[in-house]
Amino acid sequence: TQLLEQSPQFLSIQEGENLTVYCNSSSVFSSLQWYRQEPGEGPVLLVTVVTGGEVKKLKRLTFQFGDARKDSSLHITAAQPGDTGLYLCAGHQTGANNLFFGTGTRLTVIP
Amino acid sequence: DTGVSQDPRHKITKRGQNVTFRCDPISEHNRLYWYRQTLGQGPEFLTYFQNEAQLEKSRLLSDRFSAERPKGSFSTLEIQRTEQGDSAMYLCASSQTGGWNTEAFFGQGTRLTVV
Repeated sequence: TQLLEQSPQFLSIQEGENLTVYCNSSSVFSSLQWYRQEPGEGPVLLVTVVTGGEVKKLKRLTFQFGDARKDSSLHITAAQPGDTGLYLCAGHQTGANNLFFGTGTRLTVIP
Repeated sequence: DTGVSQDPRHKITKRGQNVTFRCDPISEHNRLYWYRQTLGQGPEFLTYFQNEAQLEKSRLLSDRFSAERPKGSFSTLEIQRTEQGDSAMYLCASSQTGGWNTEAFFGQGTRLTVV
């Protein structure tokens, strides 16, 4: 059983389109992180959100943490081929040492 | 390069053989984590060290798996009597004390194939 479910699992879009990736759980997290992973490489941290309702922007990427700290979304505006990769959400629960990763969303942006 | 380094990058082994992977974290990081990632899935937590102490182990870490961090610097992950189900990417990450609100850096991983 996955603690964090991501949707969609696969997404293929044309360059210039917008997209949203969702990360959902029935559990509360003290913080939630988004990573991007390219083939053959380790995940690279994009952002950390810690406050319910928090919104963070990183250029064309907008991250939101749900009010109840159980879910998050990643919105990409005007996607570019360089955005192609595996997007992973990961949550940290209070008192736990490990980070629970979501199932991942594989994004392909077609030029 | 001062990032997290893992060695080897790729390992092919026959079923039943033992394998050992090494992780060199970022030098000032006292926390070190091992994760396993299978194709199409997100990474799954295996174990965590703070300095040389192994503070947490996942139930995924069967008796055939052992991890060490003898001097609080580099770490090794050994798998004994490998099985085909052990085929995966093994990822190491490190961070400074402060929990996961502190950025964790991942290595490039070791891809294990058991034939």
